[in-house]
Amino acid sequence: DAMVIQNPRYQVTQFGKPVTLSCSQTLNHNVMYWYQQKSSQAPKLLFHYYDKDFNNEADTPDNFQSRRPNTSFCFLDIRSPGLGDAAMYLCATSRGAGAVSGANVLTFGAGSRLTVL
Amino acid sequence: QKEVEQDPGPLSVPEGAIVSLNCTYSNSAFQYFMWYRQYSRKGPELLMYTYSSGNKEDGRFTAQVDKSSKYISLFIRDSQPSDSATYLCALHGGAQKLVFGQGTRLTINP
Repeated sequence: DAMVIQNPRYQVTQFGKPVTLSCSQTLNHNVMYWYQQKSSQAPKLLFHYYDKDFNNEADTPDNFQSRRPNTSFCFLDIRSPGLGDAAMYLCATSRGAGAVSGANVLTFGAGSRLTVL
Repeated sequence: QKEVEQDPGPLSVPEGAIVSLNCTYSNSAFQYFMWYRQYSRKGPELLMYTYSSGNKEDGRFTAQVDKSSKYISLFIRDSQPSDSATYLCALHGGAQKLVFGQGTRLTINP
């Protein structure tokens, strides 16, 4: 089945120790997103790639970086995790990036839950 | 004022009850209205979406949009324990990115 796979599902790190989360997709979608979701809150968009074009949200801290080496893979790097970065990180994909020709339906992975000690 | 407001609950109802989940929004540019279901410790999955005003039915689920009131609803008939999850509304229009509601945590009690 075509899907979005995130690894690891659970990540424990120490304060300040860099972390990389990965996402792969078999949907051949053009757009890949990274969201941060804290408990009982809406997912917050960090950035997205439309093909190779990187789009950062204005309020995304510099501590968060992303790489998309090819269509199928996208990585989230947290350079120096703080206690406030503990959250569920969701990767999502979509065919397009706007509602130009239909609903922009996102397909999400299962998420990577980050704990910072 | 947030672009999308959604009561976080929690909402607890007995099995078989009709559930009504709602969101209000402020941006009249929104054209597509979606509902995502998120089980505990999982990613959201699309439940259904509607375009513009009106109703859309899919099995036990009905999505309703009232653009004049900027109000959207999701109804669940004959609710089951397996419907227990967090339900997120999500809206977008034109070139705007998707905006999520906070999510309503729903529990269906056997």
